[in-house]
Amino acid sequence: AQSVAQPEDQVNVAEGNPLTVKCTYSVSGNPYLFWYVQYPNRGLQFLLKYITGDNLVKGSYGFEAEFNKSQTSFHLKKPSALVSDSALYFCAVRDEGNTPLVFGKGTRLSVIA
Amino acid sequence: DAGVIQSPRHEVTEMGQEVTLRCKPISGHDYLFWYRQTMMRGLELLIYFNNNVPIDDSGMPEDRFSAKMPNASFSTLKIQPSEPRDSAVYFCASSLLGRGYEQYFGPGTRLTVT
Repeated sequence: AQSVAQPEDQVNVAEGNPLTVKCTYSVSGNPYLFWYVQYPNRGLQFLLKYITGDNLVKGSYGFEAEFNKSQTSFHLKKPSALVSDSALYFCAVRDEGNTPLVFGKGTRLSVIA
Repeated sequence: DAGVIQSPRHEVTEMGQEVTLRCKPISGHDYLFWYRQTMMRGLELLIYFNNNVPIDDSGMPEDRFSAKMPNASFSTLKIQPSEPRDSAVYFCASSLLGRGYEQYFGPGTRLTVT
């Protein structure tokens, strides 16, 4: 069965600094990896996904994520954080079957001005 | 596209009452998911449908919970009778068939059972 770990409950970063939100996964076969963001009182919004191809995936709002097969990681990154990036971020994985996404517990990102 | 639509957005009810949450998926999507989110347990998958047929309901917490999808454009999640521990935000999501497709979430229904 697939699983996702987000080792940090909270990440704090100063505005303008680079940010990283960590995610590791476990899946049999090839993984399909996703990042979502949740703003207060809103549903989850899709940010980006890795299906195949280039290990560096670019998504919405300037975010990107790097797929690392040897480390089974899919960390979310942004070169310069904005206060408006403050939100709850979820990593999710699916295996090669048509199964639902398995979500991590989420990491709360706080960008301080 | 209007996205996934959920109603009501907020529901406050008394313990023992029946609660019905509604969801309209994105047109053309053939998978529909119901999730529950709480601070303690995070995001939990309750049940999902493919082409209106329930595929896996192992996440439904108790027999008090039931879900239906009578057609491709409508689904309900019912709690009867409701209990205070059912208080949570309930999300509906939909997607297309295929591993590479992301799930699109609705805005959620915040349920408070007093």
